[in-house]
Amino acid sequence: EAQVTQNPRYLITVTGKKLTVTCSQNMNHEYMSWYRQDPGLGLRQIYYSMNVEVTDKGDVPEGYKVSRKEKRNFPLILESPSPNQTSLYFCASTLGGEGTDTQYFGPGTRLTVL
Amino acid sequence: GENVEQHPSTLSVQEGDSAVIKCTYSDSASNYFPWYKQELGKRPQLIIDIRSNVGEKKDQRIAVTLNKTAKHFSLHITETQPEDSAVYFCALERYSTLTFGKGTMLLVSP
Repeated sequence: EAQVTQNPRYLITVTGKKLTVTCSQNMNHEYMSWYRQDPGLGLRQIYYSMNVEVTDKGDVPEGYKVSRKEKRNFPLILESPSPNQTSLYFCASTLGGEGTDTQYFGPGTRLTVL
Repeated sequence: GENVEQHPSTLSVQEGDSAVIKCTYSDSASNYFPWYKQELGKRPQLIIDIRSNVGEKKDQRIAVTLNKTAKHFSLHITETQPEDSAVYFCALERYSTLTFGKGTMLLVSP
């Protein structure tokens, strides 16, 4: 089954404790993105990747890191989480290119930073 | 980045009525305009999309219209049903990444 998976689905942590949210897709997609969703603000892009070892900042990259060492995986790293990073996070992937724009979203990760 | 304005932020209708949500944007280079539906606690799901070479697309009770000259696109839902209640997001695509509107909460009352 074609899908995007994220882990963990729920996480409660404390300020400053490094964490990683994993994202994996099995569709051989070139493009992957991370979004955060906050009430009244919609979904805002954090980082995106156009291929292995190619990443770029989205609209709200501060406090986050990503890596793309393999095509299928695109982990989101919070080196020193703060309470303002409490949010719902979605990973998404797309094949990319004209006519193949459909984005596939993961199930989401609800993060609480105390 | 690209800015997308979405209106209204909330919309309440009676079952059977029509609902219209509108988005405006500024970047004329965008060519792909999807609409997503998000039910409570779930991921966004693509419900319809339109490309810049067409002005309208319809799928059963859902339609999307695009006016590239005026830089706006709209979602139309006819004969609304309670299960249409959700948050709807417009988006536009550039370089295979999406910029989203802030969402419209649609409430359909029986």
